[in-house]
Amino acid sequence: GNSVTQMEGPVTLSEEAFLTINCTYTATGYPSLFWYVQYPGEGLQLLLKATKADDKGSNKGFEATYRKETTSFHLEKGSVQVSDSAVYFCALSGYALNFGKGTSLLVTP
Amino acid sequence: EAGVAQSPRYKIIEKRQSVAFWCNPISGHATLYWYQQILGQGPKLLIQFQNNGVVDDSQLPKDRFSAERLKGVDSTLKIQPAKLEDSAVYLCASSPDGSGTMRGYTFGSGTRLTVV
Repeated sequence: GNSVTQMEGPVTLSEEAFLTINCTYTATGYPSLFWYVQYPGEGLQLLLKATKADDKGSNKGFEATYRKETTSFHLEKGSVQVSDSAVYFCALSGYALNFGKGTSLLVTP
Repeated sequence: EAGVAQSPRYKIIEKRQSVAFWCNPISGHATLYWYQQILGQGPKLLIQFQNNGVVDDSQLPKDRFSAERLKGVDSTLKIQPAKLEDSAVYLCASSPDGSGTMRGYTFGSGTRLTVV
């Protein structure tokens, strides 16, 4: 079945550092891919998505490109802020959305 | 538009007791999902409704969990009797139609259940 594998955290970065969170997927067909973010004490929020190969999703300075050849959808941000501290989940569409285990990000001043 | 509403936010019960969670999806959203998120893990789908019909409940532990969506709007998830391993955050999500798997869902803030 469809599944995603995320890099394990926690990831700790200094403010203004470059962020990469790796996500690879296994799927039949051509799923849509998503990144969700969960801030402390809050529910899941859709951060960005891509619906077909080579699509780039972007939002709030975050980007991810749907790479069919490497079955990847890595999340990147050029300069993180303290407010980006959260748990990030990669997900892909199947019969319903299937989520990875999440990667915790802590950004320090 | 108003988001997905869930209640209660927190619940602490003893094992073998019963508990119910309520979800009110975004107005007009036909598809409703219940997910279980155990600490340190990603959300896992428990059940999916399309209007008031069940689309997928293959991962719902039916010996103790039940869910309903009367009139195709609000939904209730019940656990009876609860076990320690049911401690988790229960998330409700909705989408306008089945295309939510293409466009993404809107999630509520969740109900954090602690079973002691």
